[in-house]
Amino acid sequence: QKEVEQNSGPLSVPEGAIASLNCTYSDRGSQSFFWYRQYSGKSPELIMSIYSNGDKEDGRFTAQLNKASQYVSLLIRDSQPSDSATYLCAVKETGGGNKLTFGTGTQLKVEL
Amino acid sequence: GAVVSQHPSWVICKSGTSVKIECRSLDFQATTMFWYRQFPKQSLMLMATSNEGSKATYEQGVEKDKFLINHASLTLSTLTVTSAHPEDSSFYICSAEVAGKHEQYFGPGTRLTVT
Repeated sequence: QKEVEQNSGPLSVPEGAIASLNCTYSDRGSQSFFWYRQYSGKSPELIMSIYSNGDKEDGRFTAQLNKASQYVSLLIRDSQPSDSATYLCAVKETGGGNKLTFGTGTQLKVEL
Repeated sequence: GAVVSQHPSWVICKSGTSVKIECRSLDFQATTMFWYRQFPKQSLMLMATSNEGSKATYEQGVEKDKFLINHASLTLSTLTVTSAHPEDSSFYICSAEVAGKHEQYFGPGTRLTVT
């Protein structure tokens, strides 16, 4: 069974610090990876997608992908209290149509 | 761009009745839409994959006769919860994949309460 694993947290960081969120996946053939942010009671919001090894930066967010290690991470620089949410890692399955496999999410708390 | 809407945002119904939830892609065409359910403090659970003009593909354990999905156009998919029971109370969320791309965008969700 294809799996995506995340530390459930909570991960607490002080305001202004870098938050580092990690995710590992089991499907070695996966090519598409996504990070979603979900506030309590709301639906997920896509914040980053990454398809190639290396880093991809978008504002305060950087996604990192290492296919050899089957590892994808999300860095949030200059963390703000408004970043406090659950971050979901999602991997598009190979041979499974267009389905995404989601991790259980990491709860991030940015403290003043 | 890539906006997905859902209607209604919340609904309360009596046990035994049916409820229809609409999912629309507002500014793009979505050949594939997905329906998820999420219980409090739990992760998303994919219920079914909906392709325009064809029958939906349901995940294992999801009753296709209870959760009717119709994807009649490239911008609209509907989920009908038939003969709803209190255990069907949940947060139902749709997502749509932009045609030709890999990204899925989620609607705001519909909170269903069955009394």
